[in-house]
Formats: sequence, C-alpha cells, structure tokens
Amino acid sequence: GQSLEQPSEVTAVEGAIVQINCTYQTSGFYGLSWYQQHDGGAPTFLSYNALDGLEETGRFSSFLSRSDSYGYLLLQELQMKDSASYFCAVRAFSSGSARQLTFGSGTQLTVLP
Amino acid sequence: DGGITQSPKYLFRKEGQNVTLSCEQNLNHDAMYWYRQDPGQGLRLIYYSQIVNDFQKGDIAEGYSVSREKKESFPLTVTSAQKNPTAFYLCASRDPHTDTQYFGPGTRLTVL
Repeated sequence: GQSLEQPSEVTAVEGAIVQINCTYQTSGFYGLSWYQQHDGGAPTFLSYNALDGLEETGRFSSFLSRSDSYGYLLLQELQMKDSASYFCAVRAFSSGSARQLTFGSGTQLTVLP
Repeated sequence: DGGITQSPKYLFRKEGQNVTLSCEQNLNHDAMYWYRQDPGQGLRLIYYSQIVNDFQKGDIAEGYSVSREKKESFPLTVTSAQKNPTAFYLCASRDPHTDTQYFGPGTRLTVL
C-alpha cells in the first residue's frame, strides 16, 4: 500500500517563510505533487516533482529526495490568502499502467497578521 | 472556457435513497476520477476511468457505482448500500501531457 505523512497544522506570520514536509512509503513511485485547498473549495494544483531537486514557481517551491522518500513545499513571503490546507500526493503506478494519486491528510496553514 | 463542472453544489438525501452526482469536462481528457473527502482528511479514491466504457474500483468503491458512456461525462451514484455517505465529493480529470489531475468544484452530500 501507500502512506504519506505530513504535519496536521502549521502557523506563521505574514511575510515569513514556511516549510511543509511530506514523507511517503509507496511502491511504483512516479512523482510527488502538491495541492492547495481553501475551505469549501476544490484542490488546485501547485507543483510536481518527478526528479530529485528543487522546483520553483513564484513564491512557492517544492523539493524531492527520492532516496529519502521525502519532499517539502516551501512558501515564501507569506500572505493572508495563503491560509489553506496543503496536500502532498504521490503519483504511483497501480494495476496495469494506471497512474493514481494517493493523498496525505493535509496540513492546515494559518497565516497571522 | 475549458474545465470540469460538478452539479449540484449541495445535495441532501434521505437515508435509503440512491443519488447521482454529475461530473462533466470539456478538456478532452481520457482519464477521470472520483474522490471522497471527509472533514479534516485527505482525498480517497472511489473509482477511476482511463477511457470511455472502462472504469476501475479505487480504494473505497463499496456502496458506489459509476458509468463512462461518454468521454465528457463520469457520473457517480451513491447507493443506499453506502453506510456513511455524508461527505464532499470531488471529480477530477487528468491532463495526459503533464500527467496532472485537475479538480471540479465538488458536491457536498448530506444524508438526513
């Protein structure tokens, strides 16, 4: 099976930097995705890492270490609108060639003024 | 505008009734997915479909059924056999070029 662990809550102030970690155990690993979900809304795609290293997209960066089964999402220059839940999700091969996402339980980020 | 639509946004049902949730996409994606989300939890896969007229059970398929008669449509039926159906249901489709799943706005189902 597959399992992911991420912290349940993180709190930071506006303008700060926060890192949300994700460790995973899986077979057929393909890559690690990150999604943001505001209360009552749909998850929106943030980033994807298939190879080791850092991917940067504006204020958000994501890192992957395949050998450590570990990744993180880095949010810089935090804004109030960044308050949301952040999910890591493993892309893995399941039966046949089916590629599926398995989600962590999510990290609730609260940004304080 | 391309996207995924789900209807209705809110749905109330009495115990013992079947209910069907709609999911439509005009992104020309082959693969579509249904997830369930409970409060404070991640998403769990119910069913997925790689192509028209084909679908596979996910991790929590019991009490649910799907069909995929058209590429654009992947409706989910929550049957009376589902013991705990109150949840937020999300439909997604996968972009084959980037291998990324994109989600619809969701349907919040409440069983009274």
